[in-house]
Amino acid sequence: KQEVTQIPAALSVPEGENLVLNCSFTDSAIYNLQWFRQDPGKGLTSLLLIQSSQREQTSGRLNASLDKSSGRSTLYIAASQPGDSATYLCAVITQGGSEKLVFGKGMKLTVNP
Amino acid sequence: DTAVSQTPKYLVTQMGNDKSIKCEQNLGHDTMYWYKQDSKKFLKIMFSYNNKELIINETVPNRFSPKSPDKAHLNLHINSLELGDSAVYFCASSQNRGSTRGYTFGSGTRLTVV
Repeated sequence: KQEVTQIPAALSVPEGENLVLNCSFTDSAIYNLQWFRQDPGKGLTSLLLIQSSQREQTSGRLNASLDKSSGRSTLYIAASQPGDSATYLCAVITQGGSEKLVFGKGMKLTVNP
Repeated sequence: DTAVSQTPKYLVTQMGNDKSIKCEQNLGHDTMYWYKQDSKKFLKIMFSYNNKELIINETVPNRFSPKSPDKAHLNLHINSLELGDSAVYFCASSQNRGSTRGYTFGSGTRLTVV
């Protein structure tokens, strides 16, 4: 059974710091890995999708890497801003049988001005 | 021009009532899903449909019944609502295998059972 872990559960940092958010998963048989952002009381916004054959994806100040063999992904946020404050969710798309997206419990990020 | 839209956004109802949540996607995706986000914000899959066919039915009480009239719509009907059903329910869609675009989520329906 696939399990996705995000540690720590919460992080509070001053504005301007470069951040690394960690995600690990137990079963390397995945199609893709997707990072989402969720603002309080809102839905999920897709940030980056990394296919299993890829090593990383970049979008603006965000860079996500994937090491499938070790079951790890990191989301790097450069020069953090207060507007980056949100919960960040890592999810893997499982292979085999019925495809589904399995989520970690998320990491709540607070960027202080 | 919303990609995945859910209605209603908020739903407050009494225990024992029956309610439905509707979802529509205009992305042309083949697969649609219902996810539940509990009070601890953990997201867990409930159901998935592929071209109107039920693919995934996780351990969900029989009071929950999904219906997919066509591949662009997936509704969730809940009978005899209980306090523990209070949560945010998200609809999502994807092409098979997650494709190059991954999953797209609706904005959620916050269900409160009183």
